[in-house]
Amino acid sequence: NAGVMQNPRHLVRRRGQEARLRCSPMKGHSHVYWYRQLPEEGLKFMVYLQKENIIDESGMPKERFSAEFPKEGPSILRIQQVVRGDSAAYFCASSPSIQDEQYFGPGTRLTVT
Amino acid sequence: GQSLEQPSEVTAVEGAIVQINCTYQTSGFYGLSWYQQHDGGAPTFLSYNALDGLEETGRFSSFLSRSDSYGYLLLQELQMKDSASYFCAVSGSGNTPLVFGKGTRLSVIA
Repeated sequence: NAGVMQNPRHLVRRRGQEARLRCSPMKGHSHVYWYRQLPEEGLKFMVYLQKENIIDESGMPKERFSAEFPKEGPSILRIQQVVRGDSAAYFCASSPSIQDEQYFGPGTRLTVT
Repeated sequence: GQSLEQPSEVTAVEGAIVQINCTYQTSGFYGLSWYQQHDGGAPTFLSYNALDGLEETGRFSSFLSRSDSYGYLLLQELQMKDSASYFCAVSGSGNTPLVFGKGTRLSVIA
């Protein structure tokens, strides 16, 4: 049973470009979570999705950021018009239900130049 | 809302025991989790407490006191590979995602 997969592992974008981060949850997991982590800091919750639905996006900036988890395919975190402050590690996690422990992917390290 | 407090750094000697504390404030409480993260790696689940008391898993144990809004992670027989960051996390109700503390960086020295 493959774990949570994220790609790309490293992503470099220039200011103003778009970044697309992908996350495939573990098999049988329908709950997906996205977190952002700045160096030397903790994980900051961004958004929680179930298939085709955004359940909680309270941690996601209102502008430039969006997330989806379509019926088929991976969950996507999209950042438009990236700025240097978006540089961080973005982790995806999945769980079979909201009360279960979350399994994390290896993360995507976004660098904005 | 929810907030968590844990020490930012702890140093301990190989073979010793270390306790990492976590206090929390939540508008509702469902459970307290602990995660380990090595530098450059992904967080990995260690333990979960929903009820008061001690949960033991090998060298690691986790404790919860709901009345005190307090928990701790206990690591025994420390090994160099235990050097990592440890995060406590709470879920405020059955339908809200985890809120993580800022993490405790554990350094194990010889």
